[in-house]
Amino acid sequence: DAKTTQPNSMESNEEEPVHLPCNHSTISGTDYIHWYRQLPSQGPEYVIHGLTSNVNNRMASLAIAEDRKSSTLILHRATLRDAAVYYCIPISGTYKYIFGTGTRLKVLA
Amino acid sequence: NAGVMQNPRHLVRRRGQEARLRCSPMKGHSHVYWYRQLPEEGLKFMVYLQKENIIDESGMPKERFSAEFPKEGPSILRIQQVVRGDSAAYFCASSPPLREVSDTQYFGPGTRLTVL
Repeated sequence: DAKTTQPNSMESNEEEPVHLPCNHSTISGTDYIHWYRQLPSQGPEYVIHGLTSNVNNRMASLAIAEDRKSSTLILHRATLRDAAVYYCIPISGTYKYIFGTGTRLKVLA
Repeated sequence: NAGVMQNPRHLVRRRGQEARLRCSPMKGHSHVYWYRQLPEEGLKFMVYLQKENIIDESGMPKERFSAEFPKEGPSILRIQQVVRGDSAAYFCASSPPLREVSDTQYFGPGTRLTVL
């Protein structure tokens, strides 16, 4: 299983972009990179996933390094509702999601 | 477009009682997964079920815990003779029938179990 390293916490001002990094240097060639977030007292919520190319959806963008050893989740304009713990999870044909400790994002008004 | 449903949302039990947690997957999903989250920790995989089959229960404690996903009705996670260490949030997730590498699991809101 690929190991991930994320900063314990980050802060952002409201309406500003946020870049949440994840290091997954042991990722294998077939591992997709999924990002989830968990708002307080809720279940994990799917955010985005990708394999090699950068990906965009209505929630966020995912930038994947060319060597795939790291990725960055980009929230283009943080809102107070984006305050959550963000997890990056490499997944390779397995159903056993491995959640690390994630990054706790604080958004300042 | 209902998501994954779990009930109850909060459950309080005294030591030695039984806890039953229910999970209804998203419409059209036939794969169910249970995870446990202890305070200030990440989620840990417990068990993976398909209709009427347990596929992988490697993350579930060998004693007191059991899970089922019957042909009709919700998936049930059952904890017998609960102890204080069972206090945690239990999350259910589901995914569609056709398993692919990039399959996404969709999580429910969780059941928070407190053992007194």
